[in-house]
Amino acid sequence: GAVVSQHPSWVICKSGTSVKIECRSLDFQATTMFWYRQFPKQSLMLMATSNEGSKATYEQGVEKDKFLINHASLTLSTLTVTSAHPEDSSFYICSAPEGREQYFGPGTRLTVT
Amino acid sequence: AQSVTQLDSHVSVSEGTPVLLRCNYSSSYSPSLFWYVQHPNKGLQLLLKYTSAATLVKGINGFEAEFKKSETSFHLTKPSAHMSDAAEYFCVVSNSNSGYALNFGKGTSLLVTP
Repeated sequence: GAVVSQHPSWVICKSGTSVKIECRSLDFQATTMFWYRQFPKQSLMLMATSNEGSKATYEQGVEKDKFLINHASLTLSTLTVTSAHPEDSSFYICSAPEGREQYFGPGTRLTVT
Repeated sequence: AQSVTQLDSHVSVSEGTPVLLRCNYSSSYSPSLFWYVQHPNKGLQLLLKYTSAATLVKGINGFEAEFKKSETSFHLTKPSAHMSDAAEYFCVVSNSNSGYALNFGKGTSLLVTP
């Protein structure tokens, strides 16, 4: 099956700094990718839809200036958490559809100290 | 609009007994429905999916689910629970109108006791 990778798998950063998370489709092209956030013991919440060559679409309540998404190629989408705060600590997961199926990355655990 | 409701936040079963995890969905369009499993500190794994073909869907590890349009349900079952089945299970809905973005249920935590 199709494979989606994420990098890094975990990151610790200081409050106020920015962190970039990469999501790659390894063996297929993805014009669309999705970014989810999962707080401890909670479900995944869709944050935004990343569109290759155009602006991302953000879900209600997600700050687009804080969570910058760039979908620069058909195999790469990046999520940059700007001016991170402890409340941004979470598990960030991306997915990419191929056909009617979604392939998930393994997730990135962000801890902001 | 689309959503799923997982009716139980926690389910506890004894090893070797049947598992039933309940899910109801709401979708304005023909839905695709999925069950995913997430083990602690692990990524999501697709158990099975329904995409308008057979209403009884068989997945991995002995799990299956039945799509019942009249009841708007997609319950997950397994005849005999194994200790390794203990995990968090998510019922998920998507449709073409949403660009196939996934809407996750709140999850059901399955505990399997010896």
